[in-house]
Amino acid sequence: GDSVTQMEGPVTLSEEAFLTINCTYTATGYPSLFWYVQYPGEGLQLLLKATKADDKGSNKGFEATYRKETTSFHLEKGSVQVSDSAVYFCALSPYGGSQGNLIFGKGTKLSVKP
Amino acid sequence: EPEVTQTPSHQVTQMGQEVILRCVPISNHLYFYWYRQILGQKVEFLVSFYNNEISEKSEIFDDQFSVERPDGSNFTLKIRSTKLEDSAMYFCASSGDRGNYGYTFGSGTRLTVV
Repeated sequence: GDSVTQMEGPVTLSEEAFLTINCTYTATGYPSLFWYVQYPGEGLQLLLKATKADDKGSNKGFEATYRKETTSFHLEKGSVQVSDSAVYFCALSPYGGSQGNLIFGKGTKLSVKP
Repeated sequence: EPEVTQTPSHQVTQMGQEVILRCVPISNHLYFYWYRQILGQKVEFLVSFYNNEISEKSEIFDDQFSVERPDGSNFTLKIRSTKLEDSAMYFCASSGDRGNYGYTFGSGTRLTVV
């Protein structure tokens, strides 16, 4: 079945460091890919998305590119801030025949130190 | 910006009791979902709902669970006889399409079964 694998956390970085959180997927067809963020004590918020190969999603300085050849959707940010501390979830929405329920990775906790 | 509203934010219940978790999806959305997140674990799909019926459900969504859209605005999840392992954060989500362009999640209801 379809699945998402993302790097284990926690990830601890200093402010202004470069961030990469790896995400790879297995899917039949052409899924849409998402990154969601969960700040402490809050719900899930959509951070960015890409719906087809080579699309780049971006928001709040975060970027991820849908790579069909490597089945990846790695999250990057050039300079993290303390306020980026949160849990990041990679997810996919299957295409065709499905009602579009999301399949999540296990989440990666990011802590940014001042 | 439109949002999905969930009530209550926190519910404590005794084992064996029935609970109803409530959600008000975005008004022009057509697809509705429940997910749950057991503390420290990944977000798991429970059920999707479209056109007043369940369109897909996971293995977790057994006979103890039911969903309903009683009045065209609310979307509820009922757990008939709660167990300790039902303790989790329950998220409602809605989407205007089959989810390929993202979902809007509520901020969740934390259910604690004692």
